[in-house]
Amino acid sequence: SQQGEEDPQALSIQEGENATMNCSYKTSINNLQWYRQNSGRGLVHLILIRSNEREKHSGRLRVTLDTSKKSSSLLITASRAADTASYFCATDPSGGGADGLTFGKGTHLIIQP
Amino acid sequence: GEEVAQTPKHLVRGEGQKAKLYCAPIKGHSYVFWYQQVLKNEFKFLISFQNENVFDETGMPKERFSAKCLPNSPCSLEIQATKLEDSAVYFCASSPPSDTQYFGPGTRLTVL
Repeated sequence: SQQGEEDPQALSIQEGENATMNCSYKTSINNLQWYRQNSGRGLVHLILIRSNEREKHSGRLRVTLDTSKKSSSLLITASRAADTASYFCATDPSGGGADGLTFGKGTHLIIQP
Repeated sequence: GEEVAQTPKHLVRGEGQKAKLYCAPIKGHSYVFWYQQVLKNEFKFLISFQNENVFDETGMPKERFSAKCLPNSPCSLEIQATKLEDSAVYFCASSPPSDTQYFGPGTRLTVL
């Protein structure tokens, strides 16, 4: 059953502002990943954070992970129109390569120019 | 290739007809995954392969869904006797022995 829940479901902000999306999950994980999906396209991998990590950065992205609360957040700083997309968190229960990911329902982000 | 390729891009079937979708993983990747996305919502994991062997098929509706990954051939996902609720976008992903999965562009299946 689906365990990830993103919050909010939709977010609309002005270009240049920061966007924060949250994800909660239910079972134990090896790692948590964030993906972006542009309309009508496949998923693009953004960042992976392992269960023993608390924070990770990649360019304008900052991800945090709190395993005690079973939650993660994705922060996009200085947003751009091109960041408009749906963002999904996905959990991997054991790592190692062949496990199917469990996805959340996604946050639809709209950046207003 | 450096991208996961999926064919066809769109597929329309009448209810009860068979649908077959294809996926060419990135060369050198050992793992292949199939996911189903209904109405742009969450992705449902269907099945994974390690090379040509099924690794995890807990998400597959086994009565009508089957999948294969044979050597030197694209992987395939086949749906026998399609139903209206099978309408979705089906994504294939592949990964090397690591935790990052690389997704293809998807096949949109419409069952009428």
